[in-house]
Amino acid sequence: AQKVTQAQTEISVVEKEDVTLDCVYETRDTTYYLFWYKQPPSGELVFLIRRNSFDEQNEISGRYSWNFQKSTSSFNFTITASQVVDSAVYFCALSLGEYSGAGSYQLTFGKGTKLSVIP
Amino acid sequence: AAGVIQSPRHLIKEKRETATLKCYPIPRHDTVYWYQQGPGQDPQFLISFYEKMQSDKGSIPDRFSAQQFSDYHSELNMSSLELGDSALYFCASSSGLQETQYFGPGTRLLVL
Repeated sequence: AQKVTQAQTEISVVEKEDVTLDCVYETRDTTYYLFWYKQPPSGELVFLIRRNSFDEQNEISGRYSWNFQKSTSSFNFTITASQVVDSAVYFCALSLGEYSGAGSYQLTFGKGTKLSVIP
Repeated sequence: AAGVIQSPRHLIKEKRETATLKCYPIPRHDTVYWYQQGPGQDPQFLISFYEKMQSDKGSIPDRFSAQQFSDYHSELNMSSLELGDSALYFCASSSGLQETQYFGPGTRLLVL
């Protein structure tokens, strides 16, 4: 079975600070996908990024960057120069890339990290 | 771009009543997933459909059933509602089983 751990339950930062959200995953499969979703106070789940297990290149999108390290089974998310609009719960999630039984393609979520950006 | 549509957005029911939640996937998406998110919890997978056939089943109570119709929209039917069914119900769609799941805005169900 897959497992995603987000050890940070809540983080508070002052606007313009950088913040890193940690994500550690467990799976026995070699082909899998990792995701980050954002859930603002309004409640919707917004897709941010997907990485496959064979692509360890870091990715940057504006103020967002992601660091994928298979050696430590981690997929961390950094927000640079945080803004109040970044305040949300952020979920890391995993799904498998090949069918290996029930639950392969469902998203397994971490418990989420609530980020509060203080003006 | 068109997104996933869910209706209703809010629903209040009494215990033991029934409820039907609807989901309209992004155009040309053939896969639909249902998730349940309790207060302060992470989303939990309930059930999924690919090309109108059930593709996977998670922690869905026997009181719940779902299907995907010929136009790819999906409905989640919930009977004998219990207080513990109060949650945010998300539908997500993707263009295939291994593809990125895009979520709808959710239906907030309150059972009194």
